[in-house]
Amino acid sequence: AQSVAQPEDQVNVAEGNPLTVKCTYSVSGNPYLFWYVQYPNRGLQFLLKYITGDNLVKGSYGFEAEFNKSQTSFHLKKPSALVSDSALYFCAVRDTDSWGKLQFGAGTQVVVTP
Amino acid sequence: KAGVTQTPRYLIKTRGQQVTLSCSPISGHRSVSWYQQTPGQGLQFLFEYFSETQRNKGNFPGRFSGRQFSNSRSEMNVSTLELGDSALYLCASSLAAGGANIQYFGAGTRLSVL
Repeated sequence: AQSVAQPEDQVNVAEGNPLTVKCTYSVSGNPYLFWYVQYPNRGLQFLLKYITGDNLVKGSYGFEAEFNKSQTSFHLKKPSALVSDSALYFCAVRDTDSWGKLQFGAGTQVVVTP
Repeated sequence: KAGVTQTPRYLIKTRGQQVTLSCSPISGHRSVSWYQQTPGQGLQFLFEYFSETQRNKGNFPGRFSGRQFSNSRSEMNVSTLELGDSALYLCASSLAAGGANIQYFGAGTRLSVL
């Protein structure tokens, strides 16, 4: 069985400061890991994914994520947050036995203040 | 290239009625997945279709059903609506199923059951 945990319901950060959104996962076999962002009244937008290879994955809008196999974590990061980054962020995992099914975390609300 | 299109965007129904939601995937995408999003349960997987066949199903009652047509368009149906079915229903499409395939989401259909 696969599962995802996002330990923080909300992350508050000042504009210009680094942003980190945490995610840990549990999956049998090699994981496929994804980050999505959701703005109010919108669907989910894909940010980045990890398959295998480099532990630092670069994605859209200046976001990157660090994969750590020993800690089973896949934290999302942005060096300098913008007010427009305020949104709901979801981590998701897919294992090799689940066809297309994505298992999502509960989501982390990011609030960036000017 | 047009994104994933979901219709209608908003629906209001009463308990006991049934509803059909529609999803048109990105051109060329053959896999369609459906998710239910609620404040209490978060994002939950409903089912996935690939080449007109249901490949995976989440833990939802039989009142929830779906199908996929030869042009990859998909519909989901909920019969005998309950108040708890009020949610945002999201459709996602991908080129193929599973693995590292990215799911691209539509804006969703917001269903309110009164």
